[in-house]
Amino acid sequence: EVQLVESGGGLVKPGGSLRLSCAASGFTFSNYIMSWVRQAPGKGLEWVSSTSSSSSYIYYADSVKGRFTISRDNAKNSLYLQMNSLRAEDTAVYYCARGGYCTGTICPMDVWGQGTTVTVSS
Amino acid sequence: EIVLTQSPATLSLSPGERATLSCRASQSVSSYLAWYQQKPGQAPRLLIYDASNRATGIPTRFSGSGSGTDFTLTISSLEPEDFAVYYCQHRSNWPITFGQGTRLEIK
Repeated sequence: EVQLVESGGGLVKPGGSLRLSCAASGFTFSNYIMSWVRQAPGKGLEWVSSTSSSSSYIYYADSVKGRFTISRDNAKNSLYLQMNSLRAEDTAVYYCARGGYCTGTICPMDVWGQGTTVTVSS
Repeated sequence: EIVLTQSPATLSLSPGERATLSCRASQSVSSYLAWYQQKPGQAPRLLIYDASNRATGIPTRFSGSGSGTDFTLTISSLEPEDFAVYYCQHRSNWPITFGQGTRLEIK
């Protein structure tokens, strides 16, 4: 079964750091573009970051650039998001998602994890 | 950044009725538009990619159309499980953006 499982969320104070993980199974992880997407409470979806299969290209939303770092370990079938200098507005459910049906460098997201909740509050 | 505007914000219909949801892009995204369904407490699910292609396992009552800046998601005959929030998303260039969502509710 194709599956993504996020972990690492929690409560953190403003200015703090957190590292999210996403464990992939059921597919050849190293072949796929992977992304993080977040959803603030009661709000819509916001793309955060994406990395190509070999990490040769990485992109970030302006809202997190310079504070968040996406990375992957293809040997461990895992995707990560290091989040530093966290702000209250980073409070959200964070989803990892696989890029499927690819015909270029940006792909629709065809498999999603269940999400992990990050709360930034003092 | 490409802005995607979805309309209406809320659509109230009954099971068996036809639903038509709209997504308009601030500039052309060619056919690089996807539709997702999200139910409360669940992750989004890909329905349609590249404007008109159904993802694996998606029922045929879901269809997508459009190109350039105007796109439509149509649900031909609503089933009870179709009442959810729907988002459009482009993959034309970076940054990826999503529409603000259309809530499809039972009338």
